[in-house]
Amino acid sequence: DAGVTQSPTHLIKTRGQHVTLRCSPISGHKSVSWYQQVLGQGPQFIFQYYEKEERGRGNFPDRFSARQFPNYSSELNVNALLLGDSALYLCASSTMGTGNEQYFGPGTRLTVT
Amino acid sequence: GQNIDQPTEMTATEGAIVQINCTYQTSGFNGLFWYQQHAGEAPTFLSYNVLDGLEEKGRFSSFLSRSKGYSYLLLKELQMKDSASYLCAVYNNNDMRFGAGTRLTVKP
Repeated sequence: DAGVTQSPTHLIKTRGQHVTLRCSPISGHKSVSWYQQVLGQGPQFIFQYYEKEERGRGNFPDRFSARQFPNYSSELNVNALLLGDSALYLCASSTMGTGNEQYFGPGTRLTVT
Repeated sequence: GQNIDQPTEMTATEGAIVQINCTYQTSGFNGLFWYQQHAGEAPTFLSYNVLDGLEEKGRFSSFLSRSKGYSYLLLKELQMKDSASYLCAVYNNNDMRFGAGTRLTVKP
């Protein structure tokens, strides 16, 4: 079985631009969570979606948004990019929600210049 | 405030036992996770504690005391491949908070 997949692997954007990151969960998993990980720090929770509805939101500005599609894949959108948005963005899937064992994807490395 | 604290770095010898501590102060608590993360890779699940006590899984064990806001991860028979960062995370009401991680270096 395929694990969690994310695309793209790497991305370079300019300040002020917009970016869309994609995630496909493990087959049968209905929950997707997004995290931002800055080098040397633990992941910071951004969003959790379960059955296409937002179930949790971390302390991130409204420039960050996400959605989950009927096939349970998900997109994370970030508008008006700032230099500080440069990080590894991780997607994790689980059967029911964030409180269950999560399986992380390889991440998308975003660099904002 | 909400804090999750772990030592930044630890060093241990191959074959030895190491204990990585995690203390937390959060507004609520539904469970505590430990993840392993090798450099440049995604975190992988190690353990989950929701009740007080010790959970053992092979060479890895995790302990939780909810009254003390304290957990530890115990790694036995250390191997070189155990060199990685170990992340403590507290789950509460659809919110998962990670500590900064403990970077463990295993030396021959």
